Amino acid sequence: GQQLNQSPQSMFIQEGEDVSMNCTSSSIFNTWLWYKQDPGEGPVLLIALYKAGELTSNGRLTAQFGITRKDSFLNISASIPSDVGIYFCAGPSSGNTGKLIFGQGTTLQVKP
Amino acid sequence: KAGVTQTPRYLIKTRGQQVTLSCSPISGHRSVSWYQQTPGQGLQFLFEYFSETQRNKGNFPGRFSGRQFSNSRSEMNVSTLELGDSALYLCASSLMSSPYNEQFFGPGTRLTVL
Repeated sequence: GQQLNQSPQSMFIQEGEDVSMNCTSSSIFNTWLWYKQDPGEGPVLLIALYKAGELTSNGRLTAQFGITRKDSFLNISASIPSDVGIYFCAGPSSGNTGKLIFGQGTTLQVKP
Repeated sequence: KAGVTQTPRYLIKTRGQQVTLSCSPISGHRSVSWYQQTPGQGLQFLFEYFSETQRNKGNFPGRFSGRQFSNSRSEMNVSTLELGDSALYLCASSLMSSPYNEQFFGPGTRLTVL
């Protein structure tokens, strides 16, 4: 079945540093979504990507949809303590409406 | 616009009991999907409802069921609870049932089964 593999699994960085994480799959995805989840809360949609090669920014966040449609990356510039959380990539399951496939998540910790 | 709301936020039940969780989607959204999140399995899709019809179902036993009302609000029910059902249950809404639509999540219901 379709799977999304995220790396790294966790990151511990200093405040002010830039962060990069990525998501890969052996299958093609037509949409890539990036979510952030704080402890005890639901995932919050950060960025949605719809076209191969698309590069989209949302404040300090930048995400790109890979040309092969099998990968995506998320960059966070100048990290701040509130960036702490778990970041998930997700994509729609082929032929199964309403179902998102999620990566395992990247846990980000920021040291002030 | 109000976001997705879920009630209750926390529940404690014992094995064998049943539980009903509620989800109110964003106004105007007609598709509601449910997910189970556990540390070991991550986010797993339960089912999706659109216009009061279940459109898609994940690989969960029949103890897990749901429904959607005419106002798009949705409920999910778990009968004969097992310890392994302890999890964060998330619902997400989107404008319509489409593989391209973003899903917006509620805060979740934390279910603990003792």
